[in-house]
Amino acid sequence: DIQMTQSPSSVSASVGDRVIITCRASQDVSSWSTWYQQKPGRAPKLLIFAASILQSGVPSRFSGSGSGTDFTLTITSLQPEDSATYYCQQANSFPLTFGGGTRVEIK
Amino acid sequence: QLVQSGGDVMRPGGSLRLTCAAFGFSVNSDCMIWVRQAPGEGPEFVSVICSGYRTNYAGSVMGRFTISRDLSKNTLSLQMDNLRADDTAVYYCGRYGAHTGGIDIWGQGTLVTVTS
Repeated sequence: DIQMTQSPSSVSASVGDRVIITCRASQDVSSWSTWYQQKPGRAPKLLIFAASILQSGVPSRFSGSGSGTDFTLTITSLQPEDSATYYCQQANSFPLTFGGGTRVEIK
Repeated sequence: QLVQSGGDVMRPGGSLRLTCAAFGFSVNSDCMIWVRQAPGEGPEFVSVICSGYRTNYAGSVMGRFTISRDLSKNTLSLQMDNLRADDTAVYYCGRYGAHTGGIDIWGQGTLVTVTS
């Protein structure tokens, strides 16, 4: 199985800050990287697919980049409603695998 | 949207069937998936069914869980047999885009607790 390693595991930032979350795959997954946002008690929400394509309805302050084994989710100008846990996921092969998550807290 | 039913408290070795009803789209329009999340953990792939009834399972559930679709009822199901304590989790159904690699529609989740 492909392992997805996320960092950091948590981050605390102020409103307006830029937050960068990274995800490393244990093998080449091309551009098959996906990002989700999850709030407590809710299902995950799709943010980014194919490494950099923004899902319809997701604010443009979210962006994704990378290919191969290294991927990045960037939140520019952090907003209070962005407080959540973020997960990466690879879709290169089954079983799909997820990263361990990054908790984003607002200072 | 996807509306789930079927979560319960079960004994080890028991069987349970989860159901997910789709509204506004066909469960045959793309892949359908089950993902679970144990308390305090990240999501974990369980099973997926795609066109032509191709299926795939996580190693931990292979031989115990069966995914299926009922096109007449527009539902997705997960038959879970020989349940174990480590199957305890919130189970989510979802629509998985085979061409996007993302789960764009999620059910509300249903809790399955396996305890003696």
